[in-house]
Amino acid sequence: EAGVTQFPSHSVIEKGQTVTLRCDPISGHDNLYWYRRVMGKEIKFLLHFVKESKQDESGMPNNRFLAERTGGTYSTLKVQPAELEDSGVYFCASSQVGDYEQYFGPGTRLTVT
Amino acid sequence: LAKTTQPISMDSYEGQEVNITCSHNNIATNDYITWYQQFPSQGPRFIIQGYKTKVTNEVASLFIPADRKSSTLSLPRVSLSDTAVYYCLVGANAGNNRKLIWGLGTSLAVNP
Repeated sequence: EAGVTQFPSHSVIEKGQTVTLRCDPISGHDNLYWYRRVMGKEIKFLLHFVKESKQDESGMPNNRFLAERTGGTYSTLKVQPAELEDSGVYFCASSQVGDYEQYFGPGTRLTVT
Repeated sequence: LAKTTQPISMDSYEGQEVNITCSHNNIATNDYITWYQQFPSQGPRFIIQGYKTKVTNEVASLFIPADRKSSTLSLPRVSLSDTAVYYCLVGANAGNNRKLIWGLGTSLAVNP
């Protein structure tokens, strides 16, 4: 069974540009979570999808971040325009409904210069 | 969601048993204790979860005293490949929104 995949693995962009991160969850997992770790800080929750619906987006930093989950399958997280403080590693995780174990992808390292 | 406190780092040697203790003084009645492991350049990986007493799986054991204000992750006979960051998380295990609240974790270094 394929695990959670994320693309790209690393992205370097300039301040003011736009970047879109993609997450493909494990097939059949309705729950999809986005997390972020800024260097030296804890991993922080961003938002949670159940299928295509946003269940909880309380962790989204501001309106420069837009997450979507088309048809309840893969998800994208767009940052527009990117700022220096957006640099960090963005993790995606998925789980089955009712399951406490979350399966994480390898993360996307975003560097904004 | 309860806050957790863990040692920042620990050192061990191959073949030893490693115990990592986590404090969670404000744990709620319906909270469970979950541990994740993270290797460099990888996403976290679930290790074990428990509510009280002792839980054991093929990777680790989790000891939770009666007051549940702390828990101890026990790794038997560690090897070099167990060098990783270990996170203790506390949260409800009911409902479907199980966003994880992370601390800085414990960086375990296993030496030859």
